[in-house]
Amino acid sequence: GAVVSQHPSWVICKSGTSVKIECRSLDFQATTMFWYRQFPKQSLMLMATSNEGSKATYEQGVEKDKFLINHASLTLSTLTVTSAHPEDSSFYICSARDPGRSDNSPLHFGNGTRLTVT
Amino acid sequence: RKEVEQDPGPFNVPEGATVAFNCTYSNSASQSFFWYRQDCRKEPKLLMSVYSSGNEDGRFTAQLNRASQYISLLIRDSKLSDSATYLCVVKHYGQNFVFGPGTRLSVLP
Repeated sequence: GAVVSQHPSWVICKSGTSVKIECRSLDFQATTMFWYRQFPKQSLMLMATSNEGSKATYEQGVEKDKFLINHASLTLSTLTVTSAHPEDSSFYICSARDPGRSDNSPLHFGNGTRLTVT
Repeated sequence: RKEVEQDPGPFNVPEGATVAFNCTYSNSASQSFFWYRQDCRKEPKLLMSVYSSGNEDGRFTAQLNRASQYISLLIRDSKLSDSATYLCVVKHYGQNFVFGPGTRLSVLP
């Protein structure tokens, strides 16, 4: 079945540094990938929609200059948290669906990246 | 009103119990429906798609009522391993998936 891989699973970084998270679709091509953030005991929140070959679409309140998204190929999207601060500490999850299966195919999620900014 | 709403929970049930989760959605043009489960500190995982005629997968039964814009998930003979948060997900035409807030289930020994 469709598999989405996300890397790294855990990252601890110092305040002010940047962190890059990769999301790959392993056995299908994803023209669109989604990036979510989840704080403890809260719901998933969609941050942005990553579009291959074009600019990402950001949700209201998400700073595009802080959360840089690059979708350079049909199997890879990256999210870079720039100048990270402790309040950026969260669980970041990507997802994609296989458009080649059917229009009703579900989303598949990467295993998530737990970011801790010290 | 939120686009997708779920029972607030949490549900605490004994092993072997039957438990039902409800979900309502506001967009009548919604196209596809899914139930996901999310374990603590993990990513959501697809539990089952929901089809118009209703569908069953082992102990899990999903129902869809388009007229009432209502989706349900029934879990029979609950196991300890069923403890998780259950997410109702609705897809509109195109790519837009909308997540419910989730209902937390704890199955107690």
